[in-house]
Amino acid sequence: DTAVSQTPKYLVTQMGNDKSIKCEQNLGHDTMYWYKQDSKKFLKIMFSYNNKELIINETVPNRFSPKSPDKAHLNLHINSLELGDSAVYFCASSRLGDGYTFGSGTRLTVV
Amino acid sequence: AQSVTQLGSHVSVSEGALVLLRCNYSSSVPPYLFWYVQYPNQGLQLLLKYTTGATLVKGINGFEAEFKKSETSFHLTKPSAHMSDAAEYFCAVSESGNTPLVFGKGTRLSVIA
Repeated sequence: DTAVSQTPKYLVTQMGNDKSIKCEQNLGHDTMYWYKQDSKKFLKIMFSYNNKELIINETVPNRFSPKSPDKAHLNLHINSLELGDSAVYFCASSRLGDGYTFGSGTRLTVV
Repeated sequence: AQSVTQLGSHVSVSEGALVLLRCNYSSSVPPYLFWYVQYPNQGLQLLLKYTTGATLVKGINGFEAEFKKSETSFHLTKPSAHMSDAAEYFCAVSESGNTPLVFGKGTRLSVIA
């Protein structure tokens, strides 16, 4: 069973489109995150949710909107996609004492 | 604010040689420290972590790291490199173990036959 699963694994879309990435964890963790990995491999936190509530929202364009329907899910919706949004997006979850578990990533390519 | 500095964006070693990847951190509270490995086109896999207790931490695949508070370091070592160790390695820090990880910029390890 996959602990943190993201769908889709690959996403190719045109500029201006709206897309969503889904994330689910079956670990019972109470905190979930979205990270962006750019072309230079740098990993930067975008959002952090704890028990469905937004805790951290780093400097991210408001075209990006996370949604957490329950503790096990944290989806990322992106409006009006731009070329610069092309990256690998990682979902992760954590709970004190358990550490952090990452999904396998979603490679987004905007053309 | 926390930060992580990984010295050397690229490290190259011969097969069988010692692997040493350097990580220094900055934190205003006792840190939780992690090393992750990322193989090409894959996700992040936890190698090892330091939370409290013993400062020498053993991880998977023969890797270990030592937390040195006086040097604010958490360097990753492996006595003998294998070809399969070639990957990107990330050091990360968090305040509490349940707050966002702050990552270093990564070190690409190449292993030469």
